[in-house]
Amino acid sequence: DAGITQSPRHKVTETGTPVTLRCHQTENHRYMYWYRQDPGHGLRLIHYSYGVKDTDKGEVSDGYSVSRSKTEDFLLTLESATSSQTSVYFCAISEPPWDRVNTEAFFGQGTRLTVV
Amino acid sequence: AQSVAQPEDQVNVAEGNPLTVKCTYSVSGNPYLFWYVQYPNRGLQFLLKYITGDNLVKGSYGFEAEFNKSQTSFHLKKPSALVSDSALYFCAVRDIPGNQFYFGTGTSLTVIP
Repeated sequence: DAGITQSPRHKVTETGTPVTLRCHQTENHRYMYWYRQDPGHGLRLIHYSYGVKDTDKGEVSDGYSVSRSKTEDFLLTLESATSSQTSVYFCAISEPPWDRVNTEAFFGQGTRLTVV
Repeated sequence: AQSVAQPEDQVNVAEGNPLTVKCTYSVSGNPYLFWYVQYPNRGLQFLLKYITGDNLVKGSYGFEAEFNKSQTSFHLKKPSALVSDSALYFCAVRDIPGNQFYFGTGTSLTVIP
């Protein structure tokens, strides 16, 4: 898996507590993404980043915030976790498709989050 | 908005038979289309992509996909299925210029020995 590390890999937390998931890349890719995977929904984009301090919302961003202070790190924070945020979270990276060669995204191993 | 659809939640095929996993897309402009595979408790692995050029693209593990512009489809195929091909398959489209990736809901492929 192309130089992407997600931490933690598993976490159980209580409703109402803040949670931060970390994605670290060693590929120096410009774009970073957070997805959640749920049965019947596939992967849905939460937030993404197109550079240091440059982030934007995805389709399911409510209840989540992100930060990117360094090229290699992209943090996802659940300000006050709810049971509906129980899911598997994936980080992905990509480069801009300018050369039409490096166009695909690469994924981390995922973080399984359970909110009880 | 860009989107892809995978009409089948589950596909079963006998080992040695050809397999097809279907995907249709809706994009404005030229599509950047991808197939990924996910094994249990793993991340998504890139299989192949269509950006431009030949409508039949070849990828990893003997998979190929056929891009059909008139039918807005990008079906994944393999001539002879293996039990080890059993996994979850996702079709995806890259939004240009936004650079987000949008995924289908996934198709679970089971290859029966």
